[in-house]
Amino acid sequence: DQQVKQNSPSLSVQEGRISILNCDYTNSMFDYFLWYKKYPAEGPTFLISISSIKDKNEDGRFTVFLNKSAKHLSLHIVPSQPGDSAVYFCAASPTGNQFYFGTGTSLTVIP
Amino acid sequence: NAGVTQTPKFQVLKTGQSMTLQCAQDMNHEYMSWYRQDPGMGLRLIHYSVGAGITDQGEVPNGYNVSRSTTEDFPLRLLSAAPSQTSVYFCASSRGGYTDTQYFGPGTRLTVL
Repeated sequence: DQQVKQNSPSLSVQEGRISILNCDYTNSMFDYFLWYKKYPAEGPTFLISISSIKDKNEDGRFTVFLNKSAKHLSLHIVPSQPGDSAVYFCAASPTGNQFYFGTGTSLTVIP
Repeated sequence: NAGVTQTPKFQVLKTGQSMTLQCAQDMNHEYMSWYRQDPGMGLRLIHYSVGAGITDQGEVPNGYNVSRSTTEDFPLRLLSAAPSQTSVYFCASSRGGYTDTQYFGPGTRLTVL
C-alpha cells in the first residue's frame, strides 16, 4: 500500500512559469519530507527538505510547502528552466531510518 | 571523492542464479541503504544499515541478503534470482541522522530471465 502518492505522472510547463508538483501521504507519523530530482540513467539527487515543525522551506528557485492537516506537500519551482526537466520524487520518513518514496512526477519544461 | 559507486551497471541473470550487487562509498557515512525502483512503484527500501555490523529490513526485504562488515561497503545479495527481482537497484548513503542528505549511486539495472 503506497504511503506516499504522487498522483500526477507528468507535468509540462513553459519556461519561466511556475511548476507545482504535488505529493500526498497517509501516515500521520511522517515528520520529515524530502524532494529528490532524477535524470535518466542517474541516481536521485537531493533537492530540498522540510520537517513537520515548519510549513514552508525555501532554497533559491525551489520552495516546499507542507500542509500537515491535509497530509499534503508541494514543490514550487519559480521560474522553471529547461534544465529542471527531470523526474521528481517526494519522500517521507517517520522518526527513524526508513524512507518512503512516491512514484514520481516527470516534469518537462518547454523552452 | 567518488561518492557512492555501484557495480555492475547492467546485469542479466537466469532464474535461480545468485549474484551480489556491490555498493561502496568514500564519504565515511554511517547510514547505507538499498532501494529498488520499479515502474509505477517509486523507490522502495530493501535493507539498510546504520553502521558496520548493523543491518535491518526495509519495506521489501524478501529474496535479498545484506551484510556490513566495513563502513565503506554494503553489498546486496540475491541468493536465487526470480523474474520479480527485475528492477533498477540504487544504493544510498548518508552521515547517519534521518534528516541527513542521502547520496545515491548511479544504479544497477538487473534483468532476470
